[in-house]
Amino acid sequence: NAGVTQTPKFQVLKTGQSMTLQCAQDMNHNSMYWYRQDPGMGLRLIYYSASEGTTDKGEVPNGYNVSRLNKREFSLRLESAAPSQTSVYFCASSASGSSEQYFGPGTRLTVT
Amino acid sequence: KNQVEQSPQSLIILEGKNCTLQCNYTVSPFSNLRWYKQDTGRGPVSLTIMTFSENTKSNGRYTATLDADTKQSSLHITASQLSDSASYICVVSWLNTNAGKSTFGDGTTLTVKP
Repeated sequence: NAGVTQTPKFQVLKTGQSMTLQCAQDMNHNSMYWYRQDPGMGLRLIYYSASEGTTDKGEVPNGYNVSRLNKREFSLRLESAAPSQTSVYFCASSASGSSEQYFGPGTRLTVT
Repeated sequence: KNQVEQSPQSLIILEGKNCTLQCNYTVSPFSNLRWYKQDTGRGPVSLTIMTFSENTKSNGRYTATLDADTKQSSLHITASQLSDSASYICVVSWLNTNAGKSTFGDGTTLTVKP
């Protein structure tokens, strides 16, 4: 039981490049989330998916897109990376009706 | 605006000492309050979760309290260990919550020194 896994762990992009961050969970959770964490700031919600087939914007969705591929997987895509997107990205999941979230180890992204 | 404020921003204590971290919130209507521990370079891990009717909850050496009237919570760490060095995050969820309705505090960075 791996919990929530994220790939890659580290990534460096040039401005304008695109990439997809992958997230998978094996806890049969319905809800999945993407957050970013900047130094000295709390986690901010980018997008979430309450169930397979649905996605909704969070607090800071601009510049990102998401895909809930199936119940296990939720990916985050940066179409044209900008230096302001340099951050640590966390994926999380939770069971239906529960706000108890389980977090992945994070992806550290640097955009130059 | 729903807000969660944590204090202090950072704290240094000696191993074996106790400490208390604070969380004040303005989230309404309130659903639950969670405390997470985040080790450097890792994702947050849940410590406690409290609903409106609970005013204290323990997890080993960690004890969280909640005063829903004053909208304040505290996390008390007893007999601190070096492994307690981490960031502690307070998260408050609104009623009928899903993740789109949770507000995260900025965290308190705790350093435990030998």
